[in-house]
Amino acid sequence: KAGVTQTPRYLIKTRGQQVTLSCSPISGHRSVSWYQQTPGQGLQFLFEYFSETQRNKGNFPGRFSGRQFSNSRSEMNVSTLELGDSALYLCASSLPSAQETQYFGPGTRLLVL
Amino acid sequence: AQSVAQPEDQVNVAEGNPLTVKCTYSVSGNPYLFWYVQYPNRGLQFLLKYITGDNLVKGSYGFEAEFNKSQTSFHLKKPSALVSDSALYFCAVRDPGGGGATNKLIFGTGTLLAVQP
Repeated sequence: KAGVTQTPRYLIKTRGQQVTLSCSPISGHRSVSWYQQTPGQGLQFLFEYFSETQRNKGNFPGRFSGRQFSNSRSEMNVSTLELGDSALYLCASSLPSAQETQYFGPGTRLLVL
Repeated sequence: AQSVAQPEDQVNVAEGNPLTVKCTYSVSGNPYLFWYVQYPNRGLQFLLKYITGDNLVKGSYGFEAEFNKSQTSFHLKKPSALVSDSALYFCAVRDPGGGGATNKLIFGTGTLLAVQP
């Protein structure tokens, strides 16, 4: 079974721009979560989608948004980029139960200049 | 609020020696606990989890972890370390009693494991 895929893998943007990251979950997984990883803040939860609905949201500003499509693929968008948004953005998919394992993609490394 | 602590930023061990990476947690209900490993420029790779049952959990690549409810700990162990085990290790918790359905994970700060040949 193919793993979680994320595109693009690397991205360079300038302050004020917006960016869209994509995540394709493992086949059959309808829960998709997004995390931000930075050296200073570590791994932080952004949001989770299940069946096209946001099920939970982390403590991030409204510039960070996401959505999920009917095929469970998910996108996250960051508008008005700031230097501090430079990070590795990780997507994870799982079956919906809290007991299930989340499987992570390779991440998208975003650099904001 | 639920939280996870990994008290050691780095653990150094010689190849062939046993290794332990420490993790303690704080949750309101019964915890679901996970260990992940991250190699440079890669995503997180699942090692093992504790949901319920036997306190000793066996996972991938010879790793195991012991759930200790009284000490609220979930330390990762391996009897004999390999140089290839050198990586960043994360402990995570999901609190099923947090209210509402969610797969949100709370991660520790990570422990860098360095195995010397």
